Amino acid sequence: GNSVTQMEGPVTLSEEAFLTINCTYTATGYPSLFWYVQYPGEGLQLLLKATKADDKGSNKGFEATYRKETTSFHLEKGSVQVSDSAVYFCALSGPGNQFYFGTGTSLTVIP
Amino acid sequence: GAGVSQSPSNKVTEKGKDVELRCDPISGHTALYWYRQSLGQGLEFLIYFQGNSAPDKSGLPSDRFSAERTGGSVSTLTIQRTQQEDSAVYLCASRSDTNTDTQYFGPGTRLTVL
Repeated sequence: GNSVTQMEGPVTLSEEAFLTINCTYTATGYPSLFWYVQYPGEGLQLLLKATKADDKGSNKGFEATYRKETTSFHLEKGSVQVSDSAVYFCALSGPGNQFYFGTGTSLTVIP
Repeated sequence: GAGVSQSPSNKVTEKGKDVELRCDPISGHTALYWYRQSLGQGLEFLIYFQGNSAPDKSGLPSDRFSAERTGGSVSTLTIQRTQQEDSAVYLCASRSDTNTDTQYFGPGTRLTVL
């Protein structure tokens, strides 16, 4: 079946620290992979995506590379800001246009 | 509208009552999804509408849950005889046919069953 496992939080970092949030997946076929972000009081919004193996998605300084050999899509940012404080969800799109989400990882960045 | 809207934003109800949650998708989006987000859990898929096709109801947790989508636009999620375990944030998302990878989410409805 299809599923996503992501690093449990919460994660607390100081401003300008390096961020990694791990995500691994199980899927049939060749899914697209996503990171969504949910800022406080807002709905989920797409942060970045990758549609095939070795693709790198990037946005707002965040990056994630689709690794088929390790079935991973880890989220990274070199220098986090207070404004990056949010909940991050890893997701994949499966057959029939269904989407599968991880449990979310809460990130708090302190000045 | 510019984005997906949901109403109400918060709903408190008593156990055993019925509730209706509304979703207005982005105009022109043919696909609409409902999810449930419980504390400490990921997004749980509930139901998926695609155009005029029969909806994919495979995620509905019980027969107390139902949803409809009128005129291919607005959708209503109904929970009958609510239970405390139904307390969660209910999220709606829509997707266009031209960008099938990306869902656009509403802000959610927080349901609390007392």
